[in-house]
Amino acid sequence: GAVVSQHPSWVICKSGTSVKIECRSLDFQATTMFWYRQFPKQSLMLMATSNEGSKATYEQGVEKDKFLINHASLTLSTLTVTSAHPEDSSFYICSASSGVGSNQPQHFGDGTRLSIL
Amino acid sequence: KQEVTQIPAALSVPEGENLVLNCSFTDSAIYNLQWFRQDPGKGLTSLLLIQSSQREQTSGRLNASLDKSSGRSTLYIAASQPGDSATYLCAPRSNDYKLSFGAGTTVTVRA
Repeated sequence: GAVVSQHPSWVICKSGTSVKIECRSLDFQATTMFWYRQFPKQSLMLMATSNEGSKATYEQGVEKDKFLINHASLTLSTLTVTSAHPEDSSFYICSASSGVGSNQPQHFGDGTRLSIL
Repeated sequence: KQEVTQIPAALSVPEGENLVLNCSFTDSAIYNLQWFRQDPGKGLTSLLLIQSSQREQTSGRLNASLDKSSGRSTLYIAASQPGDSATYLCAPRSNDYKLSFGAGTTVTVRA
């Protein structure tokens, strides 16, 4: 149980393109989803927290107009990298939890490797 | 801001040896702490979750301890196998429910 599916797993696109990444909880309802970014050989950095039906909360230094997050249902959150540039190339990972205040663990997707040419 | 340090950064052992991975964090006001495994180019797999009120958690060959007051957790892996080769991440969860990650310990188990 507690499976999180992330799609696509790898995307290569031209500079200036917008890219959408989906994160789905397959067998549980995810009240809260998190989006992380990971550079090579570095740890995960939290970008934003999204709660179903409300606006995402972004971490300091993360441009909300650049990284659009939508959490329209209890099983789906999307991250759209708008007008992507080479510096946006990274590994993006989502996680989902069944409750903000619960003692349940966060479950992670397999990540999306984004390469901007 | 929570700072997480994992020592050592890398570890290489022969098969069968026991592994000890250390994690320290600066803010002891945590909700719980998770240990994850990450394979190259992949997402994270949750291994163990320890609540702030617990001292220890076990799952098969894995055992994790938590000393919340001193800001430390240790992951023990018994009788290591080549399949245990991966990067192990420690992540305390703050009272604002956010996880903070260390840079990880990369483990190589030699056959």
